[in-house]
Amino acid sequence: AQSVTQLGSHVSVSEGALVLLRCNYSSSVPPYLFWYVQYPNQGLQLLLKYTSAATLVKGINGFEAEFKKSETSFHLTKPSAHMSDAAEYFCAVSEGFNQAGTALIFGKGTTLSVSS
Amino acid sequence: EAQVTQNPRYLITVTGKKLTVTCSQNMNHEYMSWYRQDPGLGLRQIYYSMNVEVTDKGDVPEGYKVSRKEKRNFPLILESPSPNQTSLYFCASRGGRVGEQYFGPGTRLTVT
Repeated sequence: AQSVTQLGSHVSVSEGALVLLRCNYSSSVPPYLFWYVQYPNQGLQLLLKYTSAATLVKGINGFEAEFKKSETSFHLTKPSAHMSDAAEYFCAVSEGFNQAGTALIFGKGTTLSVSS
Repeated sequence: EAQVTQNPRYLITVTGKKLTVTCSQNMNHEYMSWYRQDPGLGLRQIYYSMNVEVTDKGDVPEGYKVSRKEKRNFPLILESPSPNQTSLYFCASRGGRVGEQYFGPGTRLTVT
């Protein structure tokens, strides 16, 4: 069964500092992996996705994530945090379209706070 | 503009009063699903639909019903809401094989 673990429910950084949000997954087949962002009072917006092509994936707003099969990880990074990055971030895994259910399994989320 | 819409965005109701939250997508997606989001629990899938007239339970289906009579619409029905269904609900649709889903803006439901 698939699962996602996000380490740290809350991460605080200073503006301009490195952002690192951790995600580990469990999947019985090669996974598709996603990071979503949720700004206050809004729905979820896709930041980036891994679909078995390049292991380093670049997304919107300067974020990127690296798929490491040996570590079963898909950590999200951004070199320099901006105040507008303050939001909740969700890592999710899917085993692909043809699997029964093919649900997105979400982690519990990490709230990112950015201070000036 | 490609989007998933939900109505209403906010709803306060009382225990036992039937309600429906509508969801519509304009991307011709076959797959649609409903999630609920609760603090500390992330998003959990309630029901999903692979296509018209094809629906199935997700992880937390108790107390909910869905229907898929048209490709674009996927309403969520609470026949007899209870306070433990107070939550933030998201509808989503998916196109293609990868699994990327597009989310609606959410419906905040309070059951008193």
